[in-house]
Amino acid sequence: AQSVSQHNHHVILSEAASLELGCNYSYGGTVNLFWYVQYPGQHLQLLLKYFSGDPLVKGIKGFEAEFIKSKFSFNLRKPSVQWSDTAEYFCAVIRLGSNDYKLSFGAGTTVTVRA
Amino acid sequence: GAGVSQSPSNKVTEKGKDVELRCDPISGHTALYWYRQRLGQGLEFLIYFQGNSAPDKSGLPSDRFSAERTGESVSTLTIQRTQQEDSAVYLCASSVEVTNLFFGPGTRLTVL
Repeated sequence: AQSVSQHNHHVILSEAASLELGCNYSYGGTVNLFWYVQYPGQHLQLLLKYFSGDPLVKGIKGFEAEFIKSKFSFNLRKPSVQWSDTAEYFCAVIRLGSNDYKLSFGAGTTVTVRA
Repeated sequence: GAGVSQSPSNKVTEKGKDVELRCDPISGHTALYWYRQRLGQGLEFLIYFQGNSAPDKSGLPSDRFSAERTGESVSTLTIQRTQQEDSAVYLCASSVEVTNLFFGPGTRLTVL
């Protein structure tokens, strides 16, 4: 079965620090990859996604993620975080070329940014 | 509507009672998903509806769980004889294509 691993359960940072959240998946075929974010009191929303092409994808609010196929990874980065980036972040994967249309999610990483 | 809506936003129930959770997807979205998020865990797939096709119920954890969808609109998730381990946030999402899900705010279910 598809599995998605997020390495950090809780990350605490100061403003202006750099952020990197790890994500690895287990499926070796073609995948689409996503990062979702849930700000306090808000819905889950899409932060960025990778389908094909340039493995470095840019999302909203200065976030980017790099797909490294050989490492089955899709790590999320932001060079300089703000207090408003405090949220829970979820990595998600969907397999292509199969009848599996279910997004598989990681357990999530809670990011707390201190002012 | 503007987004996916779910009701109630919070539900507290006693063990053994039945509960019904509702999801109103975005108009025109043919696909509808239910996920569950237990404390400290990722989102767990429950069930998927796509148009008039038979739903994929492979994620339902037991026969106490069932879901229905009326055409391409409202869906209800029913949990019978609730147990404490059913406590979670139940999320609904809808989409036109599988790679772009829009999530609702969730229903927080607490089983005492």
